[in-house]
Amino acid sequence: AQKVTQAQTEISVVEKEDVTLDCVYETRDTTYYLFWYKQPPSGELVFLIRRNSFDEQNEISGRYSWNFQKSTSSFNFTITASQVVDSAVYFCANDGGSQGNLIFGKGTKLSVKP
Amino acid sequence: NAGVTQTPKFRVLKTGQSMTLLCAQDMNHEYMYWYRQDPGMGLRLIHYSVGEGTTAKGEVPDGYNVSRLKKQNFLLGLESAAPSQTSVYFCASSSLSRSRQHFGDGTRLSIL
Repeated sequence: AQKVTQAQTEISVVEKEDVTLDCVYETRDTTYYLFWYKQPPSGELVFLIRRNSFDEQNEISGRYSWNFQKSTSSFNFTITASQVVDSAVYFCANDGGSQGNLIFGKGTKLSVKP
Repeated sequence: NAGVTQTPKFRVLKTGQSMTLLCAQDMNHEYMYWYRQDPGMGLRLIHYSVGEGTTAKGEVPDGYNVSRLKKQNFLLGLESAAPSQTSVYFCASSSLSRSRQHFGDGTRLSIL
């Protein structure tokens, strides 16, 4: 069955610390996509990244980086030098198949304290 | 560029009342989705549509109906609201299957 597991329910760090959010997925598809979304306290969902299963290169965007490891079915997200504005719930997701819908993990709530 | 717009943003209903949530997108996307978000549950798919005039059930469709009469609009209906339907509802759209989904800002629905 398609499934996304975010084992960390809540993480609290102090500003400027690095933090990694874990994501483990299960899929029976040979081609699939993985996503990360951010949900700040205001409630909207902000798209962060979409990654094709054939592209295992790590990605870096400013303070954000993603580590995709097919061998362990993981797609982890690291924030370097965290800031208070990074406080949010972060969701990992994969596409569920031909319907195109996303299968979401339960989210990790990140609190960055000054 | 509005993207995906959900109406209303907040609503309080009494058990047994009916209502319709409207989702409108201006990106000419084929695919549209309705999700619900409950505490600690992530987002779960209610219904989806792969084009005008088509709809299909998702993971948690019971108690909801949908319609896609126009390509840009996707309506979610609650015929007889129940307290278990208290949730935040998100609409999303995408141009293709498996591409990035654009989300609306959500509708917070409380049923008393």
